[in-house]
Amino acid sequence: LAKTTQPISMDSYEGQEVNITCSHNNIATNDYITWYQQFPSQGPRFIIQGYKTKVTNEVASLFIPADRKSSTLSLPRVSLSDTAVYYCLVGDIGSGGYQKVTFGTGTKLQVIP
Amino acid sequence: NAGVTQTPKFRVLKTGQSMTLLCAQDMNHEYMYWYRQDPGMGLRLIHYSVGEGTTAKGEVPDGYNVSRLKKQNFLLGLESAAPSQTSVYFCASRGTGSTDTQYFGPGTRLTVL
Repeated sequence: LAKTTQPISMDSYEGQEVNITCSHNNIATNDYITWYQQFPSQGPRFIIQGYKTKVTNEVASLFIPADRKSSTLSLPRVSLSDTAVYYCLVGDIGSGGYQKVTFGTGTKLQVIP
Repeated sequence: NAGVTQTPKFRVLKTGQSMTLLCAQDMNHEYMYWYRQDPGMGLRLIHYSVGEGTTAKGEVPDGYNVSRLKKQNFLLGLESAAPSQTSVYFCASRGTGSTDTQYFGPGTRLTVL
């Protein structure tokens, strides 16, 4: 399993862009990179997923360099409601059905007014 | 379309008691998962299923059993509850596509006294 390393916590003021970087040095060829968001007392919620280069959706952007050994989740102009824990997952999706991914401790983002 | 639902939302058990947690999904997903999340920690996979009638062990299976008699339901059983099983339990499901992501339920908060 590809192990991921993320900062434990981050603080940001409202309206700023937040970048959370995840390190995954032993990522495998078949592995995708997926980010989830979790609010207190709720299950994780999918944010974005990518394999290489850049992916953007209505919520965030995901930047993946050519060597794929890291990835950066970018949240534009955060608001108080973005305060949550963000998990970076790297895994082999679909092989035998076992999503070989591991949830680490995530990054606790605190948005400050 | 309710997504993934979990029953019950809260439960208090005494050591040695047994109980079953029910997970139901209405998205016709093949794959289903049970995780536990302890305070300040990420999710850890207990058991998973790649289809009706199949189950397999995850990262922390000891003390738990599961069954997938119907495609839409995934049951997690505790035969003899222990205080170490006090946790929040999350169920998830996903489709079989290589880029499909997991959809999580709202969680069950279990306390074992």
